[in-house]
Amino acid sequence: QQQVKQSPQSLIVQKGGISIINCAYENTAFDYFPWYQQFPGKGPALLIAIRPDVSEKKEGRFTISFNKSAKQFSLHIMDSQPGDSATYFCAASSGTYKYIFGTGTRLKVLA
Amino acid sequence: NAGVTQTPKFRVLKTGQSMTLLCAQDMNHEYMYWYRQDPGMGLRLIHYSVGEGTTAKGEVPDGYNVSRLKKQNFLLGLESAAPSQTSVYFCASSYDSSSTDTQYFGPGTRLTVL
Repeated sequence: QQQVKQSPQSLIVQKGGISIINCAYENTAFDYFPWYQQFPGKGPALLIAIRPDVSEKKEGRFTISFNKSAKQFSLHIMDSQPGDSATYFCAASSGTYKYIFGTGTRLKVLA
Repeated sequence: NAGVTQTPKFRVLKTGQSMTLLCAQDMNHEYMYWYRQDPGMGLRLIHYSVGEGTTAKGEVPDGYNVSRLKKQNFLLGLESAAPSQTSVYFCASSYDSSSTDTQYFGPGTRLTVL
C-alpha cells in the first residue's frame, strides 16, 4: 500500500529524444507527487511536482503526466540533453512531510 | 546560505565501531530527516524530527539513534556498526509540515562498514 513502483531502472536516450519514466502507486490517500533529480555525488533536488487535481504540469522541457484513475504518473523529458544524465526519483506523500520514494531511474543521454 | 551540509563526506568503519554523522541546516527549517540510499531501493527514511528536542522513527530505524538538541543540527548515530549499514546517508530538511513543502537534501555521506 505504501510502495511507489518506478520503472525503468535504467534508460538510455539519444540527444534530442524523449525520456519517459513511469511510477505507480496504490495508496489513494497520496496527494502530492514530486520528482527529484540526483547527479552523481550530490543529494537529490526537487525537479517538478504535481497534485492530483491536475492531469499535467509542465516546466520547461520537463512534464509530469498524472492519471488518477490508473494511479500512475510519469515524467517526460523533451529534447533530452547530456546534462540531463542523472538519477530520477519519483515520490508520493499523503498530507504530511513523509515521502515514499520510488527506487530510482538512472538516465543516460548520449551526445 | 550553505543550505544543508553533512559531515563527514566519507567514512570507513570496522564492524562494531561507532560513529556520529552530523547534519546542519541554515534555513531555519523545523523538520529534518535522515535517509539511507541503497542501490535499487531508493531513499528510505531512518528517523526524522519535527522540531528541536523531538525525534521519531521512520521506515528503517533499527541500529540507529538520533538527536536534535539544536534546531539547526540533526545527528545520526551508529552505536555498533554492521556491514548491512554500508550505504549513502542523506540528511534533508523542510520548513513546515505540509506535504507540498520541498525537502532540501545535503550532499550525502558515503559509509562503508567492513
